[in-house]
Amino acid sequence: DAKTTQPNSMESNEEEPVHLPCNHSTISGTDYIHWYRQLPSQGPEYVIHGLTSNVNNRMASLAIAEDRKSSTLILHRATLRDAAVYYCILRDRGSGGSNYKLTFGKGTLLTVNP
Amino acid sequence: NAGVMQNPRHLVRRRGQEARLRCSPMKGHSHVYWYRQLPEEGLKFMVYLQKENIIDESGMPKERFSAEFPKEGPSILRIQQVVRGDSAAYFCASSGDFLNTGELFFGEGSRLTVL
Repeated sequence: DAKTTQPNSMESNEEEPVHLPCNHSTISGTDYIHWYRQLPSQGPEYVIHGLTSNVNNRMASLAIAEDRKSSTLILHRATLRDAAVYYCILRDRGSGGSNYKLTFGKGTLLTVNP
Repeated sequence: NAGVMQNPRHLVRRRGQEARLRCSPMKGHSHVYWYRQLPEEGLKFMVYLQKENIIDESGMPKERFSAEFPKEGPSILRIQQVVRGDSAAYFCASSGDFLNTGELFFGEGSRLTVL
């Protein structure tokens, strides 16, 4: 599986934007970039995913570098409820193999200060 | 629309006992996945099931662990003769058209403690 590298932790202030980076220099052409987050004592929650173009949804934006070797999850206005571990995950969208598996690393622990 | 329901939320077992963890997927979902999270670790894939079929159990330990998803009722993850190393949070997820939506819906987990 292609690997991702994320900072262990980041801090933000409430109501400020947060940019969570992810490096994936060995990404293949068929890999989707997924982001999930895990709030304390809960299961992971889908945030966003993309392939090549930047993506926006009600939770966040995903900015993907032109060479796809890195991406950034953007929370436009952090709230206290955004404090969580954020996971950047690559998933092969190919028809063969394990394209339904998500491989979670250790993620980035985001702390939001009031 | 109820989410993925897991029970029990917390389970304590002594070494050598059996643990049964149950998962009811979201309504309309026929794909179930089990993941395990050891303390201070990320989640690890264990098994992928569709109704009455195990699709991929490559992440399951070869012994003591089994999973099923019967035609009726919840999916069950069964751990026989538990050991201390089985202490972890076990998460179930379900999906509909995951390959296109990329979205798994996770339950809140079952936390197993082995004494």
